[in-house]
Amino acid sequence: EADIYQTPRYLVIGTGKKITLECSQTMGHDKMYWYQQDPGMELHLIHYSYGVNSTEKGDLSSESTVSRIRTEHFPLTLESARPSHTSQYLCASSETGDRGFDEQYFGPGTRLTVT
Amino acid sequence: DAKTTQPNSMESNEEEPVHLPCNHSTISGTDYIHWYRQLPSQGPEYVIHGLTSNVNNRMASLAIAEDRKSSTLILHRATLRDAAVYYCIVTLGGKLIFGQGTELSVKP
Repeated sequence: EADIYQTPRYLVIGTGKKITLECSQTMGHDKMYWYQQDPGMELHLIHYSYGVNSTEKGDLSSESTVSRIRTEHFPLTLESARPSHTSQYLCASSETGDRGFDEQYFGPGTRLTVT
Repeated sequence: DAKTTQPNSMESNEEEPVHLPCNHSTISGTDYIHWYRQLPSQGPEYVIHGLTSNVNNRMASLAIAEDRKSSTLILHRATLRDAAVYYCIVTLGGKLIFGQGTELSVKP
């Protein structure tokens, strides 16, 4: 059982609000990721971090920002939510394994609706 | 990262074996082949991975072609709980690039 947590699980919020999606893992993993997934569509990597104070943008451009001040915590922030941000956000973590293989563990996701 | 091609959907009967194919003709020599699956309303979960040799674990088997340009995920006895989207991903290191995957439905 993976120990990776996301809160809130569901969030409905009005346009223009600032929101932070929380992601925490207790496995001591050095790598963490944020993916975005619209219903019935594929997952897109929007941010990743390979360690504390290291963050990179993923393959899909996103207006969100992330921070990695502690190993176990990787929050995602939207300064001003818009209806186009409505989606499911999935957090994952992994540990660099032998010979370069990483197994990623995913959280349950946060389903965000912006009205 | 190499591109992968999978069928959009497949159907299986319960308790029968399922073979899910994946083509990855541009795979490089150091790329791993990963399989993840996503059950309805959940995040993806790791299934299996391999480099050159066939692999078995408690969930599935992975058969890798000798030229590594294709692979097949084998579920030996499908159950209703195996209904999910299965993703074949070819990469080295942390980042995973998910495609559309194969949506597997299992009929009782």
